Amino acid sequence: GAVVSQHPSRVICKSGTSVKIECRSLDFQATTMFWYRQFPKKSLMLMATSNEGSKATYEQGVEKDKFLINHASLTLSTLTVTSAHPEDSSFYICSARAPTSPSYEQYFGPGTRLTVT
Amino acid sequence: AQTVTQSQPEMSVQEAETVTLSCTYDTSENNYYLFWYKQPPSRQMILVIRQEAYKQQNATENRFSVNFQKAAKSFSLKISDSQLGDTAMYFCADQAKGGGADGLTFGKGTHLIIQP
Repeated sequence: GAVVSQHPSRVICKSGTSVKIECRSLDFQATTMFWYRQFPKKSLMLMATSNEGSKATYEQGVEKDKFLINHASLTLSTLTVTSAHPEDSSFYICSARAPTSPSYEQYFGPGTRLTVT
Repeated sequence: AQTVTQSQPEMSVQEAETVTLSCTYDTSENNYYLFWYKQPPSRQMILVIRQEAYKQQNATENRFSVNFQKAAKSFSLKISDSQLGDTAMYFCADQAKGGGADGLTFGKGTHLIIQP
């Protein structure tokens, strides 16, 4: 149980276009999902917290107009990178927390590698 | 703000040896959780072990155990009888329990290499 999927696993897009990344909790309902960004050989940095049915909370320094997050259902959150630029190239990882999880454990998706050319 | 510090960028040990990865953290929260995650080359984050701050007993999971020193804000991971499959990046992480909606704050990671 507690499986989180991401789609796509890899995406290449041209500079100036937008790309959407999906994060799904497959066997549980996630009231809260998180989006992280990981640069090569670096740590994970929390970008935003996504709560079902409400606006996402962005971390300081993250442009909310560039990284649009939608959490329309208890099993799906999407991250849309708008007007992508090469510096947006990175590995994006989502995680989800089941409301019944006693230890606030987060279940991670496999990540999405975004390359902007 | 929470910070997590891992001072060992890379470690290398022989198979079957015991290795300890260090982690210190700084939080103003009273209730929080600490985690160690493993990230193999596939980049899938795998939970290794968790510790609840209010529990004094150190968490253990098979070959993995922690040394949690709350006053010193230290949370080290010990891997016993290391195996080749333990080769990976290891991240220490802190999560404030507070409002229940906080994401994880990660350290910079330690690249652990198990030599045959």
